[in-house]
Amino acid sequence: DAGVIQSPRHEVTEMGQEVTLRCKPISGHNSLFWYRQTMMRGLELLIYFNNNVPIDDSGMPEDRFSAKMPNASFSTLKIQPSEPRDSAVYFCASSFRRGRNGYTFGSGTRLTVV
Amino acid sequence: AQKITQTQPGMFVQEKEAVTLDCTYDTSDQSYGLFWYKQPSSGEMIFLIYQGSYDEQNATEGRYSLNFQKARKSANLVISASQLGDSAMYFCAMREARDKLIFGTGTRLQVFP
Repeated sequence: DAGVIQSPRHEVTEMGQEVTLRCKPISGHNSLFWYRQTMMRGLELLIYFNNNVPIDDSGMPEDRFSAKMPNASFSTLKIQPSEPRDSAVYFCASSFRRGRNGYTFGSGTRLTVV
Repeated sequence: AQKITQTQPGMFVQEKEAVTLDCTYDTSDQSYGLFWYKQPSSGEMIFLIYQGSYDEQNATEGRYSLNFQKARKSANLVISASQLGDSAMYFCAMREARDKLIFGTGTRLQVFP
């Protein structure tokens, strides 16, 4: 398995633009997570899905952020409009429910909003 | 309220020595899981070790062991025989109900020769 695949690896965009981050989880995993990592706030859970259904989006910072999981093999995190304070590394992770082998993380997307 | 607490922002250890990274947690769930992840400077998140709340024995994975003290709600990571490649950020995490995984603030470990 290729692991959790995120794209793009790096994104530089201007303030006010729409940004879409993509994630392909490991086949067979039924939970998917979006995290944001910054120096100031550490690793924050933004939203997670179980069987493609959003379970908890209490970590989504504001209405500018939205996430979808239209099927078991794809998820997007969208920021519209983007702001400089959204600059961070965004990780996607997937897991098999109650698995003991950890949650597998993608390589992350480094977002810079200028 | 902070659910995962890592009180050591940074730790130093000499090569070949053992080091303990502290983690305490807070949950009212009876069933939960505890994880440790390593994040080297390259940025990827690497799963190290897992401890289930009902596991009677402490988890071990090679040079990593988890000192699980349920009554104290602590899940410290012990790295034996430290290597230079162990220098990284280490995160403690807890799986709560419905598979929600939350992280502590991390400990930066520096291994020196």
